[in-house]
Amino acid sequence: DTEVTQTPKHLVMGMTNKKSLKCEQHMGHRAMYWYKQKAKKPPELMFVYSYEKLSINESVPSRFSPECPNSSLLNLHLHALQPEDSALYLCASSQRDSGGYTFGSGTRLTVV
Amino acid sequence: DQQVKQNSPSLSVQEGRISILNCDYTNSMFDYFLWYKKYPAEGPTFLISISSIKDKNEDGRFTVFLNKSAKHLSLHIVPSQPGDSAVYFCAASGGGDMRFGAGTRLTVKP
Repeated sequence: DTEVTQTPKHLVMGMTNKKSLKCEQHMGHRAMYWYKQKAKKPPELMFVYSYEKLSINESVPSRFSPECPNSSLLNLHLHALQPEDSALYLCASSQRDSGGYTFGSGTRLTVV
Repeated sequence: DQQVKQNSPSLSVQEGRISILNCDYTNSMFDYFLWYKKYPAEGPTFLISISSIKDKNEDGRFTVFLNKSAKHLSLHIVPSQPGDSAVYFCAASGGGDMRFGAGTRLTVKP
């Protein structure tokens, strides 16, 4: 298995909803990442987990809450989002701190 | 603070010719550099990478060159094919962090 799987592929949520994005990899990678990508912009780093511990938090608002239950799973819990949070949310994993990253196909999130 | 810069938002080349995409970085901590190709509504697809201990890495039609003193890397695609048309992102990683450039949209005309 050489893929990073993200679910759901599309999500529409209201500003008062609570939802979660899920990411899974079975490549034995010990670093996992959340990126946010707006249209026609590069991916922006949000969070980095290394060996299931949060190592980087790029000053992301608390309405985004990451969770790493184990080395294969990475979740992003969403609560009270704003319409400007609508974007493509990408999960990635890598074998070590640097090197080739494998990206999932992303979750297209729309906040209404 | 843009640590990785791709100054050309777009590039158009004729099929069969060489495509050269450029990237500059500012952070000396970066020690691994990558190029990704991205189609709309999909995650970036890894293309080719280079470690800071090398100055060239070749994979088929794709070659990445690294000039550490200039903090500059480039991606050469030879020969370019219409299927290469996409947005190409340069990325730099180090210390558990990876940053992307703004991307260059490559159009290869038949």
